[in-house]
Formats: sequence, structure tokens, C-alpha cells
Amino acid sequence: EAGVTQSPTHLIKTRGQQATLRCSPISGHTSVYWYQQALGLGLQFLLWYDEGEERNRGNFPPRFSGRQFPNYSSELNVNALELEDSALYLCASSFLAGDLLRNEQFFGPGTRLTVL
Amino acid sequence: AQSVSQHNHHVILSEAASLELGCNYSYGGTVNLFWYVQYPGQHLQLLLKYFSGDPLVKGIKGFEAEFIKSKFSFNLRKPSVQWSDTAEYFCAFSGGYNKLIFGAGTRLAVHP
Repeated sequence: EAGVTQSPTHLIKTRGQQATLRCSPISGHTSVYWYQQALGLGLQFLLWYDEGEERNRGNFPPRFSGRQFPNYSSELNVNALELEDSALYLCASSFLAGDLLRNEQFFGPGTRLTVL
Repeated sequence: AQSVSQHNHHVILSEAASLELGCNYSYGGTVNLFWYVQYPGQHLQLLLKYFSGDPLVKGIKGFEAEFIKSKFSFNLRKPSVQWSDTAEYFCAFSGGYNKLIFGAGTRLAVHP
């Protein structure tokens, strides 16, 4: 079974530019989550999409946005890039069962975004 | 506020030593608890999880963790570490809205 895949592996941008990161979930999973792993800050929850809808959002500014496509893949867009956006961005997927708390999340390898 | 505290940022052990990594969470409701591991150059993998039932849970590679509700703790243990256990370990919980709250991580270095 293929795992969660992310592209690109590395992305280098300059301040003010926009970045687009992509994620393909495990087959059968409808939920996609985005996390930011910045140096010294651990993993922080960014966004949760399920069935094409944004279901929850972490404490990040609106220039972090995304979407989920009908095939359940997802994009994370970061506008007006700032130096502190440099981080590893992880995507995770799960299927959504009745008990939300029991949805184990499986992680992809991440996209390392560097903002110069 | 929902948060996870991992007590040690860096741990250095010799092979065969015992390991215990501390984790405390802050949340007033029902939680599910997880330990994830990130080996060098690899992606985040689930070590073990607690949803309900026996508070002592066993995971992969000989790891186990104990949920102590009264202490809001979920410490990770392994009786005898190996060089291949060198990695970063993250404690996390989900308390609602399907998001995981992670601790800052503990970097474990095991010397042969």
C-alpha cells in the first residue's frame, strides 16, 4: 500500500513569493492534515480538510490556505512568504470514522520550504 | 490551553541502557495519546497509541508507554536501547477537532 506522498521534496523561494505544496493521501483516506515543523518549535497543526471542506484551522495567518480536490489530494498555499515560514511542512491523512478521536494519522515525508 | 510538554530535549544513552521519556499533556477532556518517531532522513512514524482500556500499551520495536490519567502523563519506555533507536521522539494527543497537538520532541542519541 502506497503511503502519503508529498511534492516537491524541497522548495526554495524568496520573501514575498508564493509557495504551493502538494499532498496525496493514502488510498481510501478522505481526510488530509497539514502541519508545520519549524526549527525549535515542534510540529504545529495548520489545516484539516475532509471531503473537500476545511474542517479546522490552526493558529496561522490567512496567507496560509489550501484546498482539497475531489480525488482527496490537497494543496497548501503560502502567500507573501516570510523568512520565518522556512520549515518542513508535513501532510498526514486518515479515514474519517464516526469517532473523530480515533482517526490515526499517517504522515508523508514532508516538503522542506526555504525562504531566502 | 491544549499543550504537550516533553521533559527532555536531548537524551544521550549507551546501548543496552534503559530509556524513559517523559510526556505530560494539558487538556480537560478525553484524549487519545500517541508517540511518533522520526528516524534520521525518514518520515514520522507511529510508535504506539492509546485510545482506551489497558493503560500500559505496547508498540513496535520493544517500546511501551503508560497512561497515568491522574498525572496527565504518557511516558515512553524501553528496557534496553539499541543504536538504531537514535531518532527524534514526539508525544502527541488528540482532544477534539481531529488535530494532533505535538510536544517539542526529544532527540535521542544512542552510542554503541
